[in-house]
Amino acid sequence: NAGVTQTPKFQVLKTGQSMTLQCAQDMNHNSMYWYRQDPGMGLRLIYYSASEGTTDKGEVPNGYNVSRLNKREFSLRLESAAPSQTSVYFCASSEPSGRAYEQYFGPGTRLTVT
Amino acid sequence: GIQVEQSPPDLILQEGANSTLRCNFSDSVNNLQWFHQNPWGQLINLFYIPSGTKQNGRLSATTVATERYSLLYISSSQTTDSGVYFCAVYSGNTPLVFGKGTRLSVIA
Repeated sequence: NAGVTQTPKFQVLKTGQSMTLQCAQDMNHNSMYWYRQDPGMGLRLIYYSASEGTTDKGEVPNGYNVSRLNKREFSLRLESAAPSQTSVYFCASSEPSGRAYEQYFGPGTRLTVT
Repeated sequence: GIQVEQSPPDLILQEGANSTLRCNFSDSVNNLQWFHQNPWGQLINLFYIPSGTKQNGRLSATTVATERYSLLYISSSQTTDSGVYFCAVYSGNTPLVFGKGTRLSVIA
């Protein structure tokens, strides 16, 4: 099992450009999440999807959109990138039953906006 | 929303020393996890521990849910233990809220 995978690993954008970060999980989890991590900070939730077909805003959703494409895939889109969106982005997944909401993380995407 | 405070923010240890990291949270939780972020940025699950005590090799964790804190113990530290340790909690319907982490440096 690959667990949670993210593409790309690195990306440099110019201000105003758009891009989509891809995330996939092979653990058959219902819930998926997008976080950002800024220097010296913990992770902050951008958006999450509790189950296929639903999405909800987290703590810092402005400037982002998400799509839960199917049970495996959850993408994050920046429509018009800004330097304030320079960060490391992590995708995670979890299963509400059993060990409630234990989250597993992907390797991250390091994004720089110039 | 729930607040998560970790202490100390930074810790420097000589190889072989022991340490205790603390996580305080402001409300009751359904889930508490400890993560290690290694120097390459990877987040590694250490413990899923909403209550009680668990051990995994040189690491152990205790959560006292009624008093709203959790402790992570690292014994006989090694240079590979360096990195940032995060505590994160899941409360009610709110997805994981992270503390700001403890940055650990283990010196040979």
